[in-house]
Order: sequence, then C-alpha cells, then structure tokens
Amino acid sequence: GQNIDQPTEMTATEGAIVQINCTYQTSGFNGLFWYQQHAGEAPTFLSYNVLDGLEEKGRFSSFLSRSKGYSYLLLKELQMKDSASYLCAVADSNYQLIWGAGTKLIIKP
Amino acid sequence: NAGVTQTPKFRVLKTGQSMTLLCAQDMNHEYMYWYRQDPGMGLRLIHYSVGEGTTAKGEVPDGYNVSRLKKQNFLLGLESAAPSQTSVYFCASRPGTPDTGELFFGEGSRLTVL
Repeated sequence: GQNIDQPTEMTATEGAIVQINCTYQTSGFNGLFWYQQHAGEAPTFLSYNVLDGLEEKGRFSSFLSRSKGYSYLLLKELQMKDSASYLCAVADSNYQLIWGAGTKLIIKP
Repeated sequence: NAGVTQTPKFRVLKTGQSMTLLCAQDMNHEYMYWYRQDPGMGLRLIHYSVGEGTTAKGEVPDGYNVSRLKKQNFLLGLESAAPSQTSVYFCASRPGTPDTGELFFGEGSRLTVL
C-alpha cells in the first residue's frame, strides 16, 4: 500500500529552528512536495524535491533521500505567522499526489 | 488573477438534499481534482479529470458525481447528502504539460450536512 507518515503536532519557540520529518512508501516516485496550510485556508506550495539533497528557499529548506524514503522540512528563524499545518505529499508514477495527514506546528513566543 | 475559484464557500444542507459545488480555473490547466479534508486525515481524492469531457474516480468517490463539460469548470455533485459528507472540499488544478505534479488550490468550500 501507499503510506505517508509525519508527526501529528510539533511545538517550537519563536526565533528557533524546527525540522518536520516525512517518511513515505509509494508505488512510483515523481517528486515530493511540502505545502503550508493556515487554519481555514487552502494549502499553498512551499517546495518540491525530485533529486536527493537539500533545496533552500529563504527561511525554508527541504531535504530528500529517495533511498530512505525520507524527507524533512526545515524552518529557520521561526515567526508567529509560521504557525500552520505542513503537508507532505508524494507524486506517484502517474503524478497523482498521495498526502500525509499533516503536521500542526505551534509557535510559542 | 483569479486562479482557482470555488462556489459556494459555505453551505448547510439537510440529509437527503442535493447540491452542486462549482470549481472554475482560468489557467488553462488540463487536470482538475476534488478533494475532501477531514480533521486528522490527509487530503482524500474524490474524483478527478484529465481533460475536458473526462472524469475518473479517486479514493473516496461514493456518494459524489462530477462533470467536466468545459475545460475551465469542474462540478462536484451530491445527489442525496449524508452527515458523513460534512467536510471541507477543495478543488485543485495542475497544468498537465509541463508537469511536476504541483497543484493549485481553490479556497475551499465548507459543507455541513445536518
């Protein structure tokens, strides 16, 4: 079967760094996505990894290891507005996205 | 730039009533999707379309029907609503070519079935 696992909830402090992990088992792999979703809003695209390694985009970085079926999203210099759910999704052999349940990130002052 | 627009944004139905959710995109995307999102669960695919005039079942299609008569529109219908269909519904689209799989989402439609 296909499965995406990520922690349900994480808490971090404003200004700190947090790493959100995602492990996956899918039929085929055409890339891994991270989306951000604020409460009551639609998911918005954060990052896309198809090759192993680290992709950096401002305060956010995403890492992929295809051999381990593993990715993480790294958020630096946390701000209160980063409080949101972070969704991990994998594009399968047909480019259909398989979604994790999301990680709710709570930022405390 | 409108992107992906869903109507209505909120709706309350009684059990057994019918309704249609409309999704419109102005990006000339080939692929369109309807998802539902429930607490503690990932986005679940209801139906999708790979082009005008085509539709296909996703992970949770029972109780829903769809149509894609025009490329820009994708309609989701509930013929006889049930309380289990209380959810937030998201429409999404993607280009098809070139394609990484990235989805563009509408704002969501919150449906309550009493």
